[in-house]
Amino acid sequence: DAGVIQSPRHEVTEMGQEVTLRCKPISGHNSLFWYRQTMMRGLELLIYFNNNVPIDDSGMPEDRFSAKMPNASFSTLKIQPSEPRDSAVYFCASRPPPAFGSGTRLTVV
Amino acid sequence: GIQVEQSPPDLILQEGANSTLRCNFSDSVNNLQWFHQNPWGQLINLFYIPSGTKQNGRLSATTVATERYSLLYISSSQTTDSGVYFCAVEYNQGGKLIFGQGTELSVKP
Repeated sequence: DAGVIQSPRHEVTEMGQEVTLRCKPISGHNSLFWYRQTMMRGLELLIYFNNNVPIDDSGMPEDRFSAKMPNASFSTLKIQPSEPRDSAVYFCASRPPPAFGSGTRLTVV
Repeated sequence: GIQVEQSPPDLILQEGANSTLRCNFSDSVNNLQWFHQNPWGQLINLFYIPSGTKQNGRLSATTVATERYSLLYISSSQTTDSGVYFCAVEYNQGGKLIFGQGTELSVKP
């Protein structure tokens, strides 16, 4: 199994632009999670899905952030418009058992 | 919400030394995981350990759920052990993880 696959690995964008992060979970996993890692706040959960249905989005910072899971093998996290404070590493994870992707390092300038 | 505290925040070791990292949590949990984040940012799952003791090579972990703590032991440390070690707890059935702030380990040759 290739594990959880995230793309892109790195993204640099200008403030105000739309950013889309992608995740392919491990086949057969029925839960998918988006986490964000920053120096100030550490690793925090943004949203998670169970059987493609969003269960808890209380960690999504504001309306500029949205996430979808159109099918069991694909999820996106979108930021529109992006701001410099969104710069972070975004991890996708699926389970069971728990497995993390390699992350997307986002820089908004 | 549940609190996860790790100690020490930083640790510097000479190669070959042993160390113990601690994770305290404020409420009953369904599960606990230890991760190593390597210098490239990848999160590697080390142990999935709700209770008891597990060993994997030079690493071992013990969780005492009734006393709400877990310990990660690193023996005969190597420079490749450097990085940040995170403890994360799962406290509901959804599988979402609450992370501690991590212990940054630096092993010197």
